[in-house]
Amino acid sequence: DQQVKQNSPSLSVQEGRISILNCDYTNSMFDYFLWYKKYPAEGPTFLISISSIKDKNEDGRFTVFLNKSAKHLSLHIVPSQPGDSAVYFCAASDPSGNTGKLIFGQGTTLQVKP
Amino acid sequence: DAGVIQSPRHEVTEMGQEVTLRCKPISGHNSLFWYRQTMMRGLELLIYFNNNVPIDDSGMPEDRFSAKMPNASFSTLKIQPSEPRDSAVYFCASSLSGSYEQFFGPGTRLTVL
Repeated sequence: DQQVKQNSPSLSVQEGRISILNCDYTNSMFDYFLWYKKYPAEGPTFLISISSIKDKNEDGRFTVFLNKSAKHLSLHIVPSQPGDSAVYFCAASDPSGNTGKLIFGQGTTLQVKP
Repeated sequence: DAGVIQSPRHEVTEMGQEVTLRCKPISGHNSLFWYRQTMMRGLELLIYFNNNVPIDDSGMPEDRFSAKMPNASFSTLKIQPSEPRDSAVYFCASSLSGSYEQFFGPGTRLTVL
């Protein structure tokens, strides 16, 4: 059973516009959330994260929002650039055992059109 | 630092053959994770090690899969015998124990014919 879900397999936006990628989770004990970005033929790389005690974290063009009551987080990219075209994975940290174990979603493929 | 190193980058084999994937984590990292990426399930955690000790292998699909970490700088994931449904991209990642951020290798694309 998927504890972290990204229900949109793909998203296409125009360059300069906002990209919004969504992620839902089921376990209210998750205490940290991360977004990873993956280009073809490369491994995922860390993009941005947020602790469960916050509701927003911003880093340049990237902002992550967390809505704990809805068990939902989103990644906003403003303005979107063609180089942002990649697969984006949402991940949640499993708090049990303090091992750094992450549970990933299925990924959303973002295409930014010039 | 060279980052996480995986080999081979591509592997094509026939059903029934043994496959061994290799990983060298980032020096100083003491947690190591093996993932499998598929379209349906995204990134699935197969097994992870902490200080060379397997902590959780509940994600390993079946007994055909096994993983070892004989020392802090090397791990293997073995599939024996391989089946076509094992075809996927396999990633290795490492981190400092307790840190949320994991660093991924470039992956091994496995094709089982």
